[in-house]
Amino acid sequence: RKEVEQDPGPFNVPEGATVAFNCTYSNSASQSFFWYRQDCRKEPKLLMSVYSSGNEDGRFTAQLNRASQYISLLIRDSKLSDSATYLCVVNMNNNDMRFGAGTRLTVKP
Amino acid sequence: EAQVTQNPRYLITVTGKKLTVTCSQNMNHEYMSWYRQDPGLGLRQIYYSMNVEVTDKGDVPEGYKVSRKEKRNFPLILESPSPNQTSLYFCASSFLPPESDHITRSYNEQFFGPGTRLTVL
Repeated sequence: RKEVEQDPGPFNVPEGATVAFNCTYSNSASQSFFWYRQDCRKEPKLLMSVYSSGNEDGRFTAQLNRASQYISLLIRDSKLSDSATYLCVVNMNNNDMRFGAGTRLTVKP
Repeated sequence: EAQVTQNPRYLITVTGKKLTVTCSQNMNHEYMSWYRQDPGLGLRQIYYSMNVEVTDKGDVPEGYKVSRKEKRNFPLILESPSPNQTSLYFCASSFLPPESDHITRSYNEQFFGPGTRLTVL
């Protein structure tokens, strides 16, 4: 089993749609979780951190479910500019960072 | 401007010819790391460093070396490159630790360099 797994997609959604991604992790001792965004093989950039109590930033909401060992990202009212690959990142509790393979999102007019 | 720089950005080389990819950050970050990105596999950590003279293996260290003689620099060395090391490489840095805190809702963000596309023939 991979340490961090994501559905690769692609997710093709119309503008204005709500879309959700999940990411599962294998190490129950992991404490830190992030969502990064990557455009067209450019460098990844932090989208948001994921906290036990959830995290909301505008149209983006991230949740952590420790019991089931997954994190989620919800994007409401999708924009064309949201088209990108979304990377789930887990700190394996020893500063060894593991990335998921990414979920590709395309938002269409 | 706060940034992570990598050089070269593109490199085509031949099997066995030693090469070094440089990485430098100007943010006084303790933590630096190297990743490679391959289609379908995402980013995989090669090596990371928590401070000067402290380096640790990541997920895929075989065939690579690193050094951390100065806080700002973290070069990646391929002593004898092989075609399976053809990949897109990213350097990243952050304050220690690269974690999020669930109580204070704070985090240390990793900043990535622009990437180095390496082809080994």
